[in-house]
Amino acid sequence: DQQVKQNSPSLSVQEGRISILNCDYTNSMFDYFLWYKKYPAEGPTFLISISSIKDKNEDGRFTVFLNKSAKHLSLHIVPSQPGDSAVYFCAARDSNSGYALNFGKGTSLLVTP
Amino acid sequence: EAGVAQSPRYKIIEKRQSVAFWCNPISGHATLYWYQQILGQGPKLLIQFQNNGVVDDSQLPKDRFSAERLKGVDSTLKIQPAKLEDSAVYLCASSLGSSVGETQYFGPGTRLLVL
Repeated sequence: DQQVKQNSPSLSVQEGRISILNCDYTNSMFDYFLWYKKYPAEGPTFLISISSIKDKNEDGRFTVFLNKSAKHLSLHIVPSQPGDSAVYFCAARDSNSGYALNFGKGTSLLVTP
Repeated sequence: EAGVAQSPRYKIIEKRQSVAFWCNPISGHATLYWYQQILGQGPKLLIQFQNNGVVDDSQLPKDRFSAERLKGVDSTLKIQPAKLEDSAVYLCASSLGSSVGETQYFGPGTRLLVL
């Protein structure tokens, strides 16, 4: 039962343009959302997070938007750089369930020069 | 600050054999997690420790998987006997505590292939 869904397995964007990665979730008890970035042969690295009481969080080139009514969040990367090429995982947690992270399947982003 | 260390990085075994993975979390991190990541999937939590106590092992296949964190620092995850479907990357992560805003830091993972 996949509670966090990333429906786009891959995305290709030109350098300098905006990358938008999408994530949907089904569990209304999720109260914290995170994005992780993963390079090959490395573990996931935390990128940015957002609490369910907010609808936007920004950190440099990265912004996460949360639409609770639609159970949807997105990660915007502006401007995209070739070094951003990686797999991006959306994750969510329910603070009533031991804080385990529920991950999506990931979206592979390729930023071309 | 040193990151989460895992060993071995790669392991190939035959089905029905046993295997063990080791994890050393970031110094001072009380919470330790083991995740299984099957190819094409996101990581799935197997077990979570708070110090040396188990917080959540609801998704650990206890008939073949076991994990321990005896002194509240290092942890080992064992599979005995292994099945073909256990082929995956096993990720260890740690966090300072277990509150909702805590960031989990991941190690590089152990890639297991069961033949």
